[in-house]
Amino acid sequence: AQTVTQSQPEMSVQEAETVTLSCTYDTSESDYYLFWYKQPPSRQMILVIRQEAYKQQNATENRFSVNFQKAAKSFSLKISDSQLGDAAMYFCAYRRNYGGSQGNLIFGKGTKLSVKP
Amino acid sequence: SAVISQKPSRDICQRGTSLTIQCQVDSQVTMMFWYRQQPGQSLTLIATANQGSEATYESGFVIDKFPISRPNLTFSTLTVSNMSPEDSSIYLCSAWTGLEQYFGPGTRLTVT
Repeated sequence: AQTVTQSQPEMSVQEAETVTLSCTYDTSESDYYLFWYKQPPSRQMILVIRQEAYKQQNATENRFSVNFQKAAKSFSLKISDSQLGDAAMYFCAYRRNYGGSQGNLIFGKGTKLSVKP
Repeated sequence: SAVISQKPSRDICQRGTSLTIQCQVDSQVTMMFWYRQQPGQSLTLIATANQGSEATYESGFVIDKFPISRPNLTFSTLTVSNMSPEDSSIYLCSAWTGLEQYFGPGTRLTVT
């Protein structure tokens, strides 16, 4: 069975600094997606970034980038120039790709990020 | 992208009653899901809502307790039946567009 592990329950970063959130996963599949979601206190789950396993290039979305190491099954999220609005719970998630139809998301336990002004 | 709305946003219910949560997506989607999130915890999948057929439930969740409907490609309901305080949680609707998975704002349920 697939599992997703986030080993950092809480992290803190100074405003304008850079922080990296860790995520590892376990799977025997070769075709899958990885995601980072942000959940602020409003509880709305917001998709931050997506990575396809078959792509070697790391995904980036503005200040957010990932370091995807497929062999090591590692998928970390880097937030550059941290802003107060980045404070939230961050979830790493895995989805197996069944060709034309996809399975459900498997979530890690989350990392609570605080941003200090 | 997809925008998902849920009703109600929150409710306080008495033990033994039932609550139906509605989920509306602004576009047709391949798959819809229902998740439960207890305070400070991660998300747990309850079931996959299948259009035109019975939902597919995850281990630990049964149809009698969490009946689900999905009459079309944009709408689904989740009913929490015969509620107990242990059902107090946030319930989230989610939809897979074929590229990405989006979430509704959640329904905060408190059972007294």
